[in-house]
Amino acid sequence: SAVISQKPSRDICQRGTSLTIQCQVDSQVTMMFWYRQQPGQSLTLIATANQGSEATYESGFVIDKFPISRPNLTFSTLTVSNMSPEDSSIYLCSVEEGPDEQYFGPGTRLTVT
Amino acid sequence: AQSVTQLDSHVSVSEGTPVLLRCNYSSSYSPSLFWYVQHPNKGLQLLLKYTSAATLVKGINGFEAEFKKSETSFHLTKPSAHMSDAAEYFCVVRSMDSSYKLIFGSGTRLLVRP
Repeated sequence: SAVISQKPSRDICQRGTSLTIQCQVDSQVTMMFWYRQQPGQSLTLIATANQGSEATYESGFVIDKFPISRPNLTFSTLTVSNMSPEDSSIYLCSVEEGPDEQYFGPGTRLTVT
Repeated sequence: AQSVTQLDSHVSVSEGTPVLLRCNYSSSYSPSLFWYVQHPNKGLQLLLKYTSAATLVKGINGFEAEFKKSETSFHLTKPSAHMSDAAEYFCVVRSMDSSYKLIFGSGTRLLVRP
């Protein structure tokens, strides 16, 4: 399976600031996804990021708040903008490596104070 | 629309006894179903998947799940729990629209008593 790394692994940020999370994959993949896991909750898809096209956002998530870049087949970034304490979550990227084979990165634990 | 319901938020078992984590699904089509496990402070790991082949699916670490269409269930089982099985387990269904996104259940926390 693909090896996925994320940076940073965790961060504590002040409200009103922005944080960019990086996701690196050790192989070329077409489909990448960004999820949010709020404290004690399940995972919710933020957006799908395919290389060469604009990210597709799920209901309740907007590009101004969560801009995503996908410059090549092994890398993506998610920015959490103008943060508030409600943005404190674990953010995970995942990749689709084959039919019904989706693998997850270790996550970025964000705390907003 | 596809969805999954995990019937128990917490399950507690003794080490060496069987594990049963329950999941019901809702889907208009033959679904693709998964179980993922999340250990504390670790990422998600795919345990097993069902994609319309054999109804009894074997996964890693001795886990298996049975797809029962008549009951719309996909319960996860293991004959004998180990302390290392303590984790959060998610039942997941794949969306059948063009996004192919994963839709997660609310999760079941498995506690294993010594």
